[in-house]
Amino acid sequence: EAGVTQSPTHLIKTRGQQATLRCSPISGHTSVYWYQQALGLGLQFLLWYDEGEERNRGNFPPRFSGRQFPNYSSELNVNALELEDSALYLCASSLDRASYGYTFGSGTRLTVV
Amino acid sequence: SQKIEQNSEALNIQEGKTATLTCNYTNYSPAYLQWYRQDPGRGPVFLLLIRENEKEKRKERLKVTFDTTLKQSLFHITASQPADSATYLCASGSGNTGKLIFGQGTTLQVKP
Repeated sequence: EAGVTQSPTHLIKTRGQQATLRCSPISGHTSVYWYQQALGLGLQFLLWYDEGEERNRGNFPPRFSGRQFPNYSSELNVNALELEDSALYLCASSLDRASYGYTFGSGTRLTVV
Repeated sequence: SQKIEQNSEALNIQEGKTATLTCNYTNYSPAYLQWYRQDPGRGPVFLLLIRENEKEKRKERLKVTFDTTLKQSLFHITASQPADSATYLCASGSGNTGKLIFGQGTTLQVKP
């Protein structure tokens, strides 16, 4: 069974540009979660999508947005990139997070220069 | 606000010994706690989940306890091996918000 896949692995952008990150969940998982892991700050919750709808978002500005497609894959968009957006962006999916936890992808390393 | 705290100092132990990592939570009563392992540059890997009504859970060399009085979970790795060296994260759910609250993680280094 394929795990959670994320692309690209690495992304280098200039301040002010837009970044698009992609995630494919495990087959059968309808929920996708996005987290940001900046150096020294731990995992911070960004967004939760389920059945194509945004269910919750973390304490991030509106320039962080995303969507979930009918096949449950998801896209995270970050507009007007700032230097502090440099981080590892992790996507996870779950059948039931309260019973089985999350399955994470390997992440996209975004570097803003 | 709801918070999960882990010892930020790295834990260094000798191969074969038992590693014990601590997770404390404040300002809420989680229904469950989860433990993950994260290797550098990789996503966390789910290890174990323990519910509030369970005192202890085991999986191979791993053991997790949940003490609601102390508001604490302990994570033990017995007969530790150098391959166990990684950062271990404690996490808990927050209602039906979809999000997990993660601790900062504790880095374990097992020396041969």
